[in-house]
Amino acid sequence: IQLTQSPSSLSASVGDRVTITCRASQGINIYLVWYQQKPGKAPKLLIYAASALQTGVPSRFSGSGSGTDFTLTISSLQPEDFATYYCQQLNSYPPTFGQGTKVEIQ
Amino acid sequence: QVQLQQWGAGLLKPSETLSLTCGVYGGSFSGYYWTWIRQSPEKGLEWIGEINHRGSTNYNPSLKSRVTISVDTSKNQFSLKLTSVTATDTAMYYCARYDSSNQHFFDYWGQGTLVTVSS
Repeated sequence: IQLTQSPSSLSASVGDRVTITCRASQGINIYLVWYQQKPGKAPKLLIYAASALQTGVPSRFSGSGSGTDFTLTISSLQPEDFATYYCQQLNSYPPTFGQGTKVEIQ
Repeated sequence: QVQLQQWGAGLLKPSETLSLTCGVYGGSFSGYYWTWIRQSPEKGLEWIGEINHRGSTNYNPSLKSRVTISVDTSKNQFSLKLTSVTATDTAMYYCARYDSSNQHFFDYWGQGTLVTVSS
């Protein structure tokens, strides 16, 4: 299953609302996960089951969608949110990842 | 608190075998799948395969002919072997825990090992 994220990169300012989309090449129910990765670090789990917030993740992060279309929203971008975000599907083997969306400081 | 710590050789020559091990500290070893993922600029994040505490494995079809993942439950460790490496296997390799029981996600990751294949 191929996952296509858009945009590939974006520039935004602190306080902005940011939305990243992830489209699956076939239906994946709600088995969609979002990760955040900072340079030199492993990915960090943000959201699972398309919309469930992982323990400890700030509530400004939210996810939605089912089937083939999903979104990750950051309601008010903070300095520590500048990173690359990846979606992942776990509906069927092999698990696959999107190509990533880099969120940069404007 | 669960921690994954990985180790292994970081520089290989073409045709050699990549060998990495991941130790799991804290938490339960059973009830999860233990996975290997790699990341390169060319291919992005790529799932390699997984194993559970009983030794049941799943592999990415694109790598299946060259990959072996094994487990040592006495040490809470699992290992990756990738044979006949080439420059295209150059990547950061991560181990991670896959919670497949109720929800599905990779919640704990190792620190990563940079593997470079060069003659």
